[in-house]
Amino acid sequence: RKEVEQDPGPFNVPEGATVAFNCTYSNSASQSFFWYRQDCRKEPKLLMSVYSSGNEDGRFTAQLNRASQYISLLIRDSKLSDSATYLCVVSNDYKLSFGAGTTVTVRA
Amino acid sequence: NAGVTQTPKFQVLKTGQSMTLQCAQDMNHNSMYWYRQDPGMGLRLIYYSASEGTTDKGEVPNGYNVSRLNKREFSLRLESAAPSQTSVYLCASSESGGHQPQHFGDGTRLSIL
Repeated sequence: RKEVEQDPGPFNVPEGATVAFNCTYSNSASQSFFWYRQDCRKEPKLLMSVYSSGNEDGRFTAQLNRASQYISLLIRDSKLSDSATYLCVVSNDYKLSFGAGTTVTVRA
Repeated sequence: NAGVTQTPKFQVLKTGQSMTLQCAQDMNHNSMYWYRQDPGMGLRLIYYSASEGTTDKGEVPNGYNVSRLNKREFSLRLESAAPSQTSVYLCASSESGGHQPQHFGDGTRLSIL
């Protein structure tokens, strides 16, 4: 079983729509959680950390459910520039474990 | 604002050739990492260096070696390249290991024929 699993998508949404997706993780001892964004043929970049109480950063909201071992990301009022692959990342001891990514395409 | 710099950006090798991928960071980070990224598989950790002077194996270390030359630089060497090592190689750094977010270089695209 993979440490971090994500629905690969793609999620194809119109501008202005809300899109949400989850990832699940297998290690209940995981301590830190992040969402990264990766544009085509570019490096991953940190989008936001995910805190136990949930947190927002502008149009982005992240939630953590430790009991069910999943993390979610919600994007409100989608922009064309939100088109990217979103990587779910979980820390375990010395390292980060990356999901394979969820692809979001926002269309005009 | 260089952050993490990787060289080269592209490379084509023949099977059996060797090469070294270079990575340098200017953020005074203690920890550095080498990943490979393949379609549908996410990033897989090859080796990491929690601090200057230490290196450890990650998930997929076979066929690779690393050197933490100093606090800034962490190189990855392929001694005898194989087609299965065709991939995008990403170097990252973080203030310290484990629970800190990592900052990535823009990658080396390596093809082995």
